[in-house]
Amino acid sequence: KAGVTQTPRYLIKTRGQQVTLSCSPISGHRSVSWYQQTPGQGLQFLFEYFSETQRNKGNFPGRFSGRQFSNSRSEMNVSTLELGDSALYLCASSPGTGGGLGTDTQYFGPGTRLTVL
Amino acid sequence: DQQVKQNSPSLSVQEGRISILNCDYTNSMFDYFLWYKKYPAEGPTFLISISSIKDKNEDGRFTVFLNKSAKHLSLHIVPSQPGDSAVYFCAASGNEYGNKLVFGAGTILRVKS
Repeated sequence: KAGVTQTPRYLIKTRGQQVTLSCSPISGHRSVSWYQQTPGQGLQFLFEYFSETQRNKGNFPGRFSGRQFSNSRSEMNVSTLELGDSALYLCASSPGTGGGLGTDTQYFGPGTRLTVL
Repeated sequence: DQQVKQNSPSLSVQEGRISILNCDYTNSMFDYFLWYKKYPAEGPTFLISISSIKDKNEDGRFTVFLNKSAKHLSLHIVPSQPGDSAVYFCAASGNEYGNKLVFGAGTILRVKS
């Protein structure tokens, strides 16, 4: 079974621009979560989508948004980029059969390395 | 407020010996715990998990122990191999958190041959 794929793998943007990252989950998985990894803050949860609906959200500003399509693929958007948004953005998929009760095992993609200049 | 703590930033172990990575948590609402391994420039790879109704789970060379009263879990790797050298993250979730994983800061494991 193919793993989680993320595109692009690397991205360079300038302050003020916006960016869209894409994630294709493992076939059959219906839940997609996004995480940000930075040296200072570690791995932090952004949001989770299940059946095209945001089911859970972390403590990030509204500039960070996402969506999920009917085939479970997900996109994440960051508007008005700031220097501090430079990070590794990770997507994780899980079956979603845990009912969102926290017992699903999440499998991560390779990440998108975003650099904001 | 760090709810999941990995107090050892790094650990060095001889090949063939046991590696023990530790993790503490503060939130008693967590009831599902996972360990991930991560190489630079790659996403975390799932290793093993444990539910709060158990105190031990084994998978090959990896064993996770959970002590709920102490809010402590540990990952044992036996025997350690050079390919195990990576950053290990402990993560926790629970009903209250849905599929949100709360991660520790990670421990760098170096296995020397």
